[in-house]
Amino acid sequence: DIVMTQTPLSSPVTLGQPASISCRSSQSLVHSNGNTYLSWLQQRPGQPPRLLIYKISNRFSGVPDRFSGSGAGTDFTLKISRVEAEDVGVYYCMQATQFPYTFGQGTKLEIK
Amino acid sequence: EVQLVQSGAEVKKPGESLKISCKGSGYSFTNYWIGWVRQMPGKGLEWMGIIYPGDSDTRYSPSFPGQVTISADKSISTAYLQWSSLKASDTAMYYCARFKGGNSGDCSFDYWGQGTLVTVSS
Repeated sequence: DIVMTQTPLSSPVTLGQPASISCRSSQSLVHSNGNTYLSWLQQRPGQPPRLLIYKISNRFSGVPDRFSGSGAGTDFTLKISRVEAEDVGVYYCMQATQFPYTFGQGTKLEIK
Repeated sequence: EVQLVQSGAEVKKPGESLKISCKGSGYSFTNYWIGWVRQMPGKGLEWMGIIYPGDSDTRYSPSFPGQVTISADKSISTAYLQWSSLKASDTAMYYCARFKGGNSGDCSFDYWGQGTLVTVSS
């Protein structure tokens, strides 16, 4: 199985400041078709997860442009340019390049 | 509007069977995979398996060997997750989510159900 490792596990951030979460996979996420199926999800307290980013850097419909994704191969990053109060929650990376699909362990974003 | 609506919370005893559901609407149910994800209390997300309702092609995570069965009834746009004999360790929130696979798909879980809380206790 591909292991997804996120850092940090907890990130206290000041409102209006940037935040960054790293996700590393145990093997390359480049599919045989050339695509890289790495997505980012947000789970606010008490809610189901919500898709933010797919295929490394594509924002899903309705996702604010302060969220951005980057990376390649085995190293990926989610950035929030200016954290807002509604961004509090847990963020997960997920790979869908190879079965079984796997999630990172989650990064808790909280306000200082 | 794409929606996935899951069945309500369940409280069961160890050894009992259970089948929970996930009804899709607002899109072509047979053209997207439906995946199931477990979230144990206070823990992260775990991918359990996925089904393509168009032909019932199903894949399971080896982390759940023989413990659950995923099925779908495309005539009523509904996917299911079932257990034949529940254990206390099955206590968790279970989510279904839509997935567009294949070379032309985004291969991400883009829409999620609201979750079904399953509590197994004697």
